[in-house]
Amino acid sequence: GNSVTQMEGPVTLSEEAFLTINCTYTATGYPSLFWYVQYPGEGLQLLLKATKADDKGSNKGFEATYRKETTSFHLEKGSVQVSDSAVYFCALSDLPSNTGNQFYFGTGTSLTVIP
Amino acid sequence: DAGVIQSPRHEVTEMGQEVTLRCKPISGHDYLFWYRQTMMRGLELLIYFNNNVPIDDSGMPEDRFSAKMPNASFSTLKIQPSEPRDSAVYFCASSAYRGLEQYFGPGTRLTVT
Repeated sequence: GNSVTQMEGPVTLSEEAFLTINCTYTATGYPSLFWYVQYPGEGLQLLLKATKADDKGSNKGFEATYRKETTSFHLEKGSVQVSDSAVYFCALSDLPSNTGNQFYFGTGTSLTVIP
Repeated sequence: DAGVIQSPRHEVTEMGQEVTLRCKPISGHDYLFWYRQTMMRGLELLIYFNNNVPIDDSGMPEDRFSAKMPNASFSTLKIQPSEPRDSAVYFCASSAYRGLEQYFGPGTRLTVT
């Protein structure tokens, strides 16, 4: 079946450090992949997406590349800020039927950036 | 665009009471999803609709939970009777088309005492 596995948290970094949050997936077919961010007390917000192999999604300095050969979609940012402190979710979208649209979310990785 | 709207934002109720959560999806979106988030279980999909029709309700935990979508701009999630273990944040999300990203509402924090 389909699933998403992301690295355990919490992750604590100093401001301006490099961030990597690992995400691997298992899927049949050709899923779309997403990263969502959840700030305290808010809903999930789409951060970036990639819909086919080798696509790179990017937004707000974050990047992730859809790697079919390694079934990965790791999130990276070159220099994190305190305002990036949040929980990050990797997600996969599958189309199991003509009307089906199943999303699979990872367990989330909490990031805290300290000044 | 106003985004996905959920009400109420906070609900505190006593065990045994009926709870109704409401959601207004983004206009024009064909898919609507209900999720529950807890520290213990993370984010769980409860049910989703396509063009107001329930497609998959396998995530609904018990018969105490029910969801309806009477029209394209409104959905409800009802818990009757509520129990303390139902305490969680409930999110509604909508998507324009199959496979596209979902847009989440701000959530309803439910506390059942």
